[in-house]
Amino acid sequence: KNQVEQSPQSLIILEGKNCTLQCNYTVSPFSNLRWYKQDTGRGPVSLTIMTFSENTKSNGRYTATLDADTKQSSLHITASQLSDSASYICVVRLQTGANNLFFGTGTRLTVIP
Amino acid sequence: DVKVTQSSRYLVKRTGEKVFLECVQDMDHENMFWYRQDPGLGLRLIYFSYDVKMKEKGDIPEGYSVSREKKERFSLILESASTNQTSMYLCASSLQQGNREQYFGPGTRLTVT
Repeated sequence: KNQVEQSPQSLIILEGKNCTLQCNYTVSPFSNLRWYKQDTGRGPVSLTIMTFSENTKSNGRYTATLDADTKQSSLHITASQLSDSASYICVVRLQTGANNLFFGTGTRLTVIP
Repeated sequence: DVKVTQSSRYLVKRTGEKVFLECVQDMDHENMFWYRQDPGLGLRLIYFSYDVKMKEKGDIPEGYSVSREKKERFSLILESASTNQTSMYLCASSLQQGNREQYFGPGTRLTVT
């Protein structure tokens, strides 16, 4: 069964600290994996996309990793800021099919001063 | 700058009412999507459309219908609203080719009383 699981469900960290969010998936055949950031009351916005051949990709203070063998991805946030408080959603795409996106339930990150 | 707009940010309707949620995108995208988002369940696909007048059922189409008369506009219809349709509704659009990133609207928080 194609599934995407994220952990932790929620996380609270102090401003300036680093954190890592996890995404495990069983989706196959895999096409790509995307991390979205969703601010409260807003729609998700793409942070980064990882394809099969990519191990690491950075977008400012956000760094995503992908291990296609173990079907795991992580999103590392460096030197967190209050504006990083949001939900982070992992989305995996199948290679084929019209309805081919599988969404994780997200990690709710709260950065406190 | 890409833009997906939704007709209302907040909506309160009574049980049994007919509800229209409208979504407009200005990116000339072929694909459009309607999701609902509930705590602990993540985003679930209701319907999607890959062309004008075309529609496909997603994972949870029961109780909903859609209309796409123009390329830029995709409407979600609740024929007879029920309390279990209280949710956040998100519209998205994407190209049919390339990495097909989905661009999301700001969402409509619908409450059915």
